[in-house]
Amino acid sequence: QVQLVESGGGVVQPGKSLRLSCAASGFTFSNFGMDWVRQAPGKGLEWVAGMSYDGSYKYYADSVKGRFTVSRDNSKNTLYLQMNSLRGEDTAVFYCARHVIGATGESWFDPWGQGTLVTVSS
Amino acid sequence: QSVLTQPPSVSAAPGQKVTISCSGTNFNIDNNDISWYQQLPGTAPKLLIYDNNKRPSGIPDRFSGSKSGTSATLGITGLQTGDEAGYYCGTWDSSLGAWVFGGGTKLTVL
Repeated sequence: QVQLVESGGGVVQPGKSLRLSCAASGFTFSNFGMDWVRQAPGKGLEWVAGMSYDGSYKYYADSVKGRFTVSRDNSKNTLYLQMNSLRGEDTAVFYCARHVIGATGESWFDPWGQGTLVTVSS
Repeated sequence: QSVLTQPPSVSAAPGQKVTISCSGTNFNIDNNDISWYQQLPGTAPKLLIYDNNKRPSGIPDRFSGSKSGTSATLGITGLQTGDEAGYYCGTWDSSLGAWVFGGGTKLTVL
């Protein structure tokens, strides 16, 4: 079945870096855009970054632009999120999600991974 | 402050019907399709409605979606205690060049 599994979360000091991974299985990874969405403790969903199926388009939320970089390795069916200059407000569960685009351009996220927790604290 | 506005909470009795609103602008809801996500306590979000009113396979027809202008609505009929969850609307915002979500609505089935 279609599955996404995130890894790489943990506790990191402010100003440091961390790289998240999202391993995909059960579908042709190279045919789909992929996105990262995060959720701070007790808060709502915040879209973070997205990437087209072939890596040619990348787009970011203003809150992470210049600090986070999304990438993918289609040979390994894996999506990455490199996070630099981390701040306390980056503390959240990070989810990866498959970005599905319909026949007439409509789009949605399905499925979502189980998430990985990133805690930025000294 | 979320770009899309949802009520923080709604509640209703088992068996009843509830609606959750999602309000935006002509840069997001009015010109792009809406999707809805259900997040049960302690779990990842799950797609509930896509392309404004379509249900993925496995989602019961108790769940419905609609859109009109700059607003969208999620409807749930025949409420069950298992429907207690957070519900989020989401869409692309053409002005921001980013995906946006509503702040989320917590559904309580009394």
